[in-house]
Amino acid sequence: NAGVMQNPRHLVRRRGQEARLRCSPMKGHSHVYWYRQLPEEGLKFMVYLQKENIIDESGMPKERFSAEFPKEGPSILRIQQVVRGDSAAYFCASSQSRGRPDTQYFGPGTRLTVL
Amino acid sequence: AQTVTQSQPEMSVQEAETVTLSCTYDTSENNYYLFWYKQPPSRQMILVIRQEAYKQQNATENRFSVNFQKAAKSFSLKISDSQLGDTAMYFCAFWDAQGGSEKLVFGKGTKLTVNP
Repeated sequence: NAGVMQNPRHLVRRRGQEARLRCSPMKGHSHVYWYRQLPEEGLKFMVYLQKENIIDESGMPKERFSAEFPKEGPSILRIQQVVRGDSAAYFCASSQSRGRPDTQYFGPGTRLTVL
Repeated sequence: AQTVTQSQPEMSVQEAETVTLSCTYDTSENNYYLFWYKQPPSRQMILVIRQEAYKQQNATENRFSVNFQKAAKSFSLKISDSQLGDTAMYFCAFWDAQGGSEKLVFGKGTKLTVNP
């Protein structure tokens, strides 16, 4: 019974490149959440998606960041033209249904380093 | 907006002793959920304990227990018989389900070191 999978675990990009982070939710889960953890900080909510729908993107920066969760395949968090300030750990969580907070299971995170 | 405050950036405790981590929060809701997560050096987020606001009884999970004071909006975590494996960052979190969305709001964390 695989948990939430994220890849890559570590990603290094140069300024101006694109970063694509992938999240495969637990089997049977159709809700995905992305969080960002800056150094020495707690996790901050970025976006909440269901299959083919963005439910809440209030935590996403207005530019360069986008997220999707297609009908088939993993959820993707895409960061265009990365800058040094994007260096952080990005966590994905998934849940089976809404309204039950104890079913948000976290992946191991992707650590993005921008040179 | 909901906010979560952890006022202790770092704490240390001797093995086998008891330590309490503080957390306060701000909300206008009456029914909500609170969590403590542990993040060891591996960075994996591990759920330690949760509390439902409508339940007056404090939650307990083995050596971990909470002191939930709803009126004071306080939610502290007590770790009894501390073990070396308890060394980690601990995050207090509030489950925000307003406006048709749902998400966790985290505090900045407390770094706990258990000394042998």
